[in-house]
Amino acid sequence: ETGVTQSPTHLIKTRGQQVTLRCSSQSGHNTVSWYQQALGQGPQFIFQYYREEENGRGNFPPRFSGLQFPNYSSELNVNALELDDSALYLCASSRDGGSNQPQHFGDGTRLSIL
Amino acid sequence: AQSVTQPDIHITVSEGASLELRCNYSYGATPYLFWYVQSPGQGLQLLLKYFSGDTLVQGIKGFEAEFKRSQSSFNLRKPSVHWSDAAEYFCAVGRLDGYNKLIFGAGTRLAVHP
Repeated sequence: ETGVTQSPTHLIKTRGQQVTLRCSSQSGHNTVSWYQQALGQGPQFIFQYYREEENGRGNFPPRFSGLQFPNYSSELNVNALELDDSALYLCASSRDGGSNQPQHFGDGTRLSIL
Repeated sequence: AQSVTQPDIHITVSEGASLELRCNYSYGATPYLFWYVQSPGQGLQLLLKYFSGDTLVQGIKGFEAEFKRSQSSFNLRKPSVHWSDAAEYFCAVGRLDGYNKLIFGAGTRLAVHP
């Protein structure tokens, strides 16, 4: 069973640029959630995709957007990057969007903004 | 508002000693409860989960957690710590309704002395 994979592992960008992060969900999972983990903090929920539709959103501005594809892989896009966007971005997949389904996490993408 | 508090930022124990990591939550009802572990440079691994029923939950790697409704707590325990347990531990709550969003505590970093 293939787990959650994320790419790239590390990324360096400058302020104002745009970035796309990618996530492949675990086999058999149709729900993908994205989290932002700043240094020394717990992960913060960005949004969730269930069957290619946004299923819920946390307290993040619209410049954070996403997509889910028919194979349930997902992208996180961030426009107009700010210094505070420097963080580890985690993708998690689950069997469906229900709260009783454990989320399985990838190893994350470390994004650094200069 | 829903929240999770992990009162201990850092804990140091000797190898072979027992361990208890504290977690308190604020929620309108009994939520779904999770403990995750994060090793340096890696994503989150699910240790155990509580949905309902028996308040003592067994997880992987010899960990267990006890749900106490009266104290709104879900503390993680291990009778004998191994050096490989050094990592960051996160407690999280999941919604009872709607989509599958996790709210994390700030984490407890565990160091293990030989």
